[in-house]
Amino acid sequence: DGGITQSPKYLFRKEGQNVTLSCEQNLNHDAMYWYRQDPGQGLRLIYYSQIVNDFQKGDIAEGYSVSREKKESFPLTVTSAQKNPTAFYLCASSTTGGFNQPQHFGDGTRLSIL
Amino acid sequence: GENVEQHPSTLSVQEGDSAVIKCTYSDSASNYFPWYKQELGKRPQLIIDIRSNVGEKKDQRIAVTLNKTAKHFSLHITETQPEDSAVYFCAASNSLRNAGGTSYGKLTFGQGTILTVHP
Repeated sequence: DGGITQSPKYLFRKEGQNVTLSCEQNLNHDAMYWYRQDPGQGLRLIYYSQIVNDFQKGDIAEGYSVSREKKESFPLTVTSAQKNPTAFYLCASSTTGGFNQPQHFGDGTRLSIL
Repeated sequence: GENVEQHPSTLSVQEGDSAVIKCTYSDSASNYFPWYKQELGKRPQLIIDIRSNVGEKKDQRIAVTLNKTAKHFSLHITETQPEDSAVYFCAASNSLRNAGGTSYGKLTFGQGTILTVHP
């Protein structure tokens, strides 16, 4: 959806380096999510946020951190503690965090190790 | 937690044929089932969804059926076209509570089906 912007499109990380992936939405959605996608697998939830200044761990949060200081923005930091960071990262948002709300995705960031 | 199994992992059809992708889920509390289409290197796009109070939903060449008793749902694409070639993901959502006691919806995705439509 044009309302969710992820940057950069490609990112390279050196050993021991933290990198931050940007996600911005102008859909006025309350809830935002980060997923990791590996080849041959479905999407796995890293972190989610239902409201500003609140976020919760998903299924694979180890080695990642997030912040939600503004409604529009939900950046993801891949820390050096994440030993296998190479993946396609997708940000999503929904109107609310409710269980029956469609989630809409950004174009993704592909992270690789140098 | 919820577990979603999707089959087949790859599906090859001739243009004009129908394609069917099936998913099963484990948590009977799940009640929202979206389907996403993802072209190579691009974002997943919601193509159709169904809620548990409905057994079938259709949108032009795409339909989804839901059997809550058996805990499975399927995507049906009729009159397939080469532009239907993509990876298709099913998902199931139910209501959970986070550490703070607030309820939220969590989507659990299937592993994906690579659909190839040959001209």
